[in-house]
Amino acid sequence: GAVVSQHPSRVICKSGTSVKIECRSLDFQATTMFWYRQFPKQSLMLMATSNEGSKATYEQGVEKDKFLINHASLTLSTLTVTSAHPEDSSFYICSASDSGGGSGANVLTFGAGSRLTVL
Amino acid sequence: LAKTTQPISMDSYEGQEVNITCSHNNIATNDYITWYQQFPSQGPRFIIQGYKTKVTNEVASLFIPADRKSSTLSLPRVSLSDTAVYYCLVVMFSGGYNKLIFGAGTRLAVHP
Repeated sequence: GAVVSQHPSRVICKSGTSVKIECRSLDFQATTMFWYRQFPKQSLMLMATSNEGSKATYEQGVEKDKFLINHASLTLSTLTVTSAHPEDSSFYICSASDSGGGSGANVLTFGAGSRLTVL
Repeated sequence: LAKTTQPISMDSYEGQEVNITCSHNNIATNDYITWYQQFPSQGPRFIIQGYKTKVTNEVASLFIPADRKSSTLSLPRVSLSDTAVYYCLVVMFSGGYNKLIFGAGTRLAVHP
């Protein structure tokens, strides 16, 4: 089945630094990927929709200059948290859709997530 | 996007059947009903998807009444490893991709 790989799985950084998280679709091409964040004991919150070759679409309240998203190829999207602060500490999860060879249904495959801790 | 409502939490015991019901009163004609499972510190995992009546796969069944305003995920003979959060979502079927908006989910605890 479809596999989405995220890297790194855990990252600790100092306040003020930038962190990049990669999301790769390993065995399929994904023109669209999604980025979520999740705080402890809470549900996933959609941050942005990443489209290959174009600018990402951010959800209301998400700072696009803070969370830079690049989707340079059909198998790779990156999220860069710029000038990270402790309040940015969270679990970041990406997902991508496999067209399913004609199945038609929009089933998203999720990465394992990346836990960011900002000191 | 149709809003979904599920119980916040449920408890069960090993070997029992668990049914989690989700309401989606304003589901649209082209919407599919999809369920995901999430373990702590992991990404959600697709369980099952359906449009109407009943769908069954190797891990679960999904029951959808004729009016489609609700759906029930059925997990047969749960084990401790089924302890997780279960999310019900409605997704519009189209040729493109539609973003998934997650609700609060149902936290299932399976006890020995």
